[in-house]
This record gives sequence, C-alpha cells and structure tokens, in this order.
Amino acid sequence: QVQLQESGPGLVRPSETLSLTCTVSGFSISTSHSWGWIRQTPGKGLEWIATISHTGSTWYDPSLKSRATISANTSKNQVALQLTSATASDTAVYYCARVPAWELHWIDPWGQGILVTVSS
Amino acid sequence: SYVLTQPPSVSVAPGQTARITCGGNNIGSQSVHWYQQKPGQSPVVVIYDDNDRPSGIPERFSGSNSVNTATLTISRVEAGDEADYYCQVWDSGRDHYGFGDGTKLTVL
Repeated sequence: QVQLQESGPGLVRPSETLSLTCTVSGFSISTSHSWGWIRQTPGKGLEWIATISHTGSTWYDPSLKSRATISANTSKNQVALQLTSATASDTAVYYCARVPAWELHWIDPWGQGILVTVSS
Repeated sequence: SYVLTQPPSVSVAPGQTARITCGGNNIGSQSVHWYQQKPGQSPVVVIYDDNDRPSGIPERFSGSNSVNTATLTISRVEAGDEADYYCQVWDSGRDHYGFGDGTKLTVL
C-alpha cells in the first residue's frame, strides 16, 4: 500500500524559498504514475501546484510556474517542491499526491499534509 | 481560472439521499472527480471520471455529469459521510486544474 509523507520546515521567512520533500513508500516513483503537489488554504481552497511524471515530465500551474520547481530523486524515492520568493499568501497545508497517469487528472492517494506558515 | 460552483452546505437525514452539485460552463464535456475530506484529514477520492468508484468506496456513492452541472449522489446517508466534498476538473484549455470551493455535508 503506497504511503506519502511530506516533510520540511513549518515556518518560512518572507522572500525565502519554501522547500518540501515527499517520501513515498510501498511504491517506486520511477515505475509508473505521476506525482503532484497541491495546497489548501481557508481563503483560496485547493490549488494544484505541479506534477512530475515517472519519466520526469513536469507541469506547473501557470500562476506559479515562475516560482515553482518540482523534482524527483529516484534513489531516495522522493518528490520535492521548491517555491521561491515566498509570501504570506503561500501559507497553506501542502499535500503530496499520486496521480494514476500523466494523462489522467485525479489524485489517489493524498499525503497527510504539512502546514507551512510564511511569516517573519 | 475555470470556476466551479458548489453549494456551501447540504443537510440530510440519515438514510436519505444527498445530492451535491458542481456547476461549471460546459462541465459536461470534462471529466469530474470528487473528494471527501473529513475534519483534520486529507482528501480521499470517492468518484473519478464522472461516475467511477475507486476500490473501497461504497456503492452508495455515485456521480453524474451533464451539460453545466455535475452531481455527487450519496444514497442511504450515514453519520460517517459527514464531511466536506470537493469537485475537481482538468481544464486543458486553460492548462489549469480547477477545484470547487467545497460543500459541507451535514447529517442531521
């Protein structure tokens, strides 16, 4: 059974880079499926940030493309997200997620999520 | 971004049928996915591709999608179904994923 566990700093200073890691267990990220990052805030709701396929193709939401980078470390079976120039509006619960395939666009399962606060 | 409109709340008595709508311009031409999120937990997919159920999701959950409205139907509602429900689509034209704002299902 696949499990996804997010990790990273819970507090990020404004203008700094928000960096998160998703450790996947029970499934090899290089075998199949795609992997994504989604965030949730009370104000903006759910927002899909980025996706990376098992072959390394990437997609970014146009509104975040200039600041976001998604990457995969197959040796560690991890997927990472970096978001540069963080602001208070990046404060959210960030979820790592598995997507059935590059051409499919739903999530199963989601990680447990990690709350990241951007504040000085 | 693609706007998906959900009612903020739906209330239903146990054993009755709950219907949660998701409105969007020509949403019937897209695949709609539904997630259940209980307090303090991550979302869980309950319906994908309009009306397919993942393994482990009860048959009481079903979906439909036509023209400008997609609907999640929960039959024989139980207390454990109380949660927030979100619809989601992939808008290829805008290269963007859209989520509804969520509907809080209350079991009376």
